[in-house]
Amino acid sequence: EIVLTQSPGTLSLSPGESGTLSCRASQSVNSDYFAWYQQKPGQAPRLLIYGASSRATGIPDRFSGSGSGTDFSLTITGLEPEDSAVYYCQQYGSSPLCSFGQGTKLEIK
Amino acid sequence: QVQLQQSGPGLVKPSQTLSLTCAISGDSVSGSSAAWNWIRWSPSRGLEWLGRTYYRSKRNNDYAVSVKSRITINSDTSKNQFSLQLNSVTPEDTAVYYCARMGIVEANRHFDCWGQGTLVTVSS
Repeated sequence: EIVLTQSPGTLSLSPGESGTLSCRASQSVNSDYFAWYQQKPGQAPRLLIYGASSRATGIPDRFSGSGSGTDFSLTITGLEPEDSAVYYCQQYGSSPLCSFGQGTKLEIK
Repeated sequence: QVQLQQSGPGLVKPSQTLSLTCAISGDSVSGSSAAWNWIRWSPSRGLEWLGRTYYRSKRNNDYAVSVKSRITINSDTSKNQFSLQLNSVTPEDTAVYYCARMGIVEANRHFDCWGQGTLVTVSS
């Protein structure tokens, strides 16, 4: 069974800085089927990145994804207060059919 | 533009059945390019995929192992909606439940559209 482990658990940064969130899979995953989501309190998750590196519609180019195999990352440049949220990685296709990481909380102070 | 609208009760008694519905606009539950999913979030478990229904030559369903014995996802083509039933609920099933669309053609295997979420509390 594939387990996605995200790090760090919490990331505190200042506006204008850049931050990198990590997601490590316990087994190799198909990068075509790897995605990142942003979730703000009281809202549904929003798709940011799919196929490991493709931005979803309407997502600013401050957000970028990279990685393959077992190591993936989400980088956010020029951080803005509105980027405060919990970020989740997700894989599809391996047992379990679909799974999420436990999330990284990004705080912009 | 695809939109998903959830409905259903926010309080369910232990041992009873949780039932939610997700109405689709802008797409079709009987189309062959998307799967229709249920996902839940709780502080203790994070995001958990529960299952999906999709049409490819015939109606198909896949369920997470953790709930496989208790879950049913149905579709209603006349109303263009799909539903979740989770039997024998316990307080551990308390969560925010989401419906979501996942593309199943080409390299699409991500959730690109979500319902608004329904907080379901299991309590007597």
